[in-house]
Amino acid sequence: AQSVSQHNHHVILSEAASLELGCNYSYGGTVNLFWYVQYPGQHLQLLLKYFSGDPLVKGIKGFEAEFIKSKFSFNLRKPSVQWSDTAEYFCAVTGGGNKLTFGTGTQLKVEL
Amino acid sequence: EAGVTQFPSHSVIEKGQTVTLRCDPISGHDNLYWYRRVMGKEIKFLLHFVKESKQDESGMPNNRFLAERTGGTYSTLKVQPAELEDSGVYFCASSQEDWDRYSPNYGYTFGSGTRLTVV
Repeated sequence: AQSVSQHNHHVILSEAASLELGCNYSYGGTVNLFWYVQYPGQHLQLLLKYFSGDPLVKGIKGFEAEFIKSKFSFNLRKPSVQWSDTAEYFCAVTGGGNKLTFGTGTQLKVEL
Repeated sequence: EAGVTQFPSHSVIEKGQTVTLRCDPISGHDNLYWYRRVMGKEIKFLLHFVKESKQDESGMPNNRFLAERTGGTYSTLKVQPAELEDSGVYFCASSQEDWDRYSPNYGYTFGSGTRLTVV
């Protein structure tokens, strides 16, 4: 069975700080990897995804993630966060189907 | 394009009562999924419909949960009788039948969820 680990449960940053959220997955086959974000009071939205090709994936709002197959990792990064990035971030994986397996989520709070 | 709609947005019920959650997917989306997030835990898959058929219901916790999708349009998830551990946020998502993984929209469209509290 596949699983996803997000190591940071709560992160507090000041505006303009750099962000890196860790995500590791466990699955033996080919995977598709996702980062979703849920802003307060809103629905889950897709930030970015990886399915093949360039392991460095760029998403919306200046986010990017790097797939490192040897480390089973798909960490999310942003060079300079804004207050509006305050949200909960979820890493997820599908392996061979459309069923998503999520991590436990990371609450990010960006302070002015 | 209207998104995925779920209602109610919040529900507070007593243990032993019945609650029915509803999800209206994006029009034309054959795939409909239910997920649940219990507080402090990860979002977990419950089941997957393709049109009106249950494709995968491996995540349904027990027989107190009944999901239907009559006519392949909206779906309901009924919990009867509700228990305290059923509290959480129930998410619905939908996607097109021919899910083009190379499309920038690859991935589900989620609803805002229903927060269920069983007291």
